Amino acid sequence: GAVVSQHPSRVICKSGTSVKIECRSLDFQATTMFWYRQFPKQSLMLMATSNEGSKATYEQGVEKDKFLINHASLTLSTLTVTSAHPEDSSFYICSAPKGGEEKLFFGSGTQLSVL
Amino acid sequence: GENVEQHPSTLSVQEGDSAVIKCTYSDSASNYFPWYKQELGKRPQLIIDIRSNVGEKKDQRIAVTLNKTAKHFSLHITETQPEDSAVYFCAASSGNRDDKIIFGKGTRLHILP
Repeated sequence: GAVVSQHPSRVICKSGTSVKIECRSLDFQATTMFWYRQFPKQSLMLMATSNEGSKATYEQGVEKDKFLINHASLTLSTLTVTSAHPEDSSFYICSAPKGGEEKLFFGSGTQLSVL
Repeated sequence: GENVEQHPSTLSVQEGDSAVIKCTYSDSASNYFPWYKQELGKRPQLIIDIRSNVGEKKDQRIAVTLNKTAKHFSLHITETQPEDSAVYFCAASSGNRDDKIIFGKGTRLHILP
């Protein structure tokens, strides 16, 4: 299977700071990456679709100015949580489809805790 | 947009028995239905998937059935083992590579000794 790397795996920050999460496809190119958010014991909620070379597409209710997405290359997408607050504490996970496949390969996730 | 409903939210099964998880979807254009297994704190892992031109697919102890007319699909795990304990998510998408996949709310499966 394909490999998607996500960093950091865990981050603790103070309220008001910004946190950047990186998602890399290691052995394939990804023109599209998906960012999900998962609260404890809940489902994966799609936040946005990251598109290489163009703007991200955000799901309804997701603030694009708060969750900045940059798809800088065919192997890297970043999610920046700006001015983080305790309610932003969650498990963030990225995913990407490989080549001609519709299957999603997930990163290992980032547990964000905002104090 | 697509909406995926999943039941039950929690399922306890005696080791060795079978477990069945059911999902329904709303968008008739959806034609790709993957199932993911997620252990606590880890990434979801694809365990089986099915496309709408197939009614059933099996991989060892795991099988998935699809009823496109009724817009529902199910996961069947036979001869359950302790390592099957996890959260299982069904999902649906159009099947095109860059199209988003929408997940159900998950089923927490407990295998009882």
